[in-house]
Amino acid sequence: ETGVTQTPRHLVMGMTNKKSLKCEQHLGHNAMYWYKQSAKKPLELMFVYNFKEQTENNSVPSRFSPECPNSSHLFLHLHTLQPEDSALYLCASSQESGFQGEQYFGPGTRLTVT
Amino acid sequence: AQSVTQLGSHVSVSEGALVLLRCNYSSSVPPYLFWYVQYPNQGLQLLLKYTTGATLVKGINGFEAEFKKSETSFHLTKPSAHMSDAAEYFCAVRGRGSTLGRLYFGRGTQLTVWP
Repeated sequence: ETGVTQTPRHLVMGMTNKKSLKCEQHLGHNAMYWYKQSAKKPLELMFVYNFKEQTENNSVPSRFSPECPNSSHLFLHLHTLQPEDSALYLCASSQESGFQGEQYFGPGTRLTVT
Repeated sequence: AQSVTQLGSHVSVSEGALVLLRCNYSSSVPPYLFWYVQYPNQGLQLLLKYTTGATLVKGINGFEAEFKKSETSFHLTKPSAHMSDAAEYFCAVRGRGSTLGRLYFGRGTQLTVWP
């Protein structure tokens, strides 16, 4: 595997379900990010992790719970979601969050909440 | 604070025509600037970036962008469009000296290429 991978690529869940999104980066980076991409809205930064520590939570509802066990893996745990949470969830990584370089993105997980 | 404005949410060109996608930024510090492309059902892929040095930046797939400080612009161009260029394009800005990993993205421009 190379770059940033995300699983699953598609997920349909009911509002009472609990599911998790997984992201893995194979780039040796130390910072990882979760973004939400909804139709007709700008890309929204949700969480930032730098060296496994959360450095930013962009006022995300508590029904989204991130976890970063090491610099290569990032999870987003989902529970009691709402239909408006349906979106493409993108994971990204960079060398470290203070590094003035680009972020590398995974292919995303298309989430549909029914 | 940083922000990005992309003029035109949709741009249509004929195959072989010039592609021009506009991006203006606002930054309280000298910026780092990026263009990303997103093909359907995929993540964002870096096209090119400006950090320091030459203001005309060349990227992948024949794209280039010019940093114009006086105009606070970073427009993306390609001399001759190809059908495979049809995608959504995002401009992003990041402030120098920032300790956070935040990139500020524009709303995106959907490029359609007609045969």
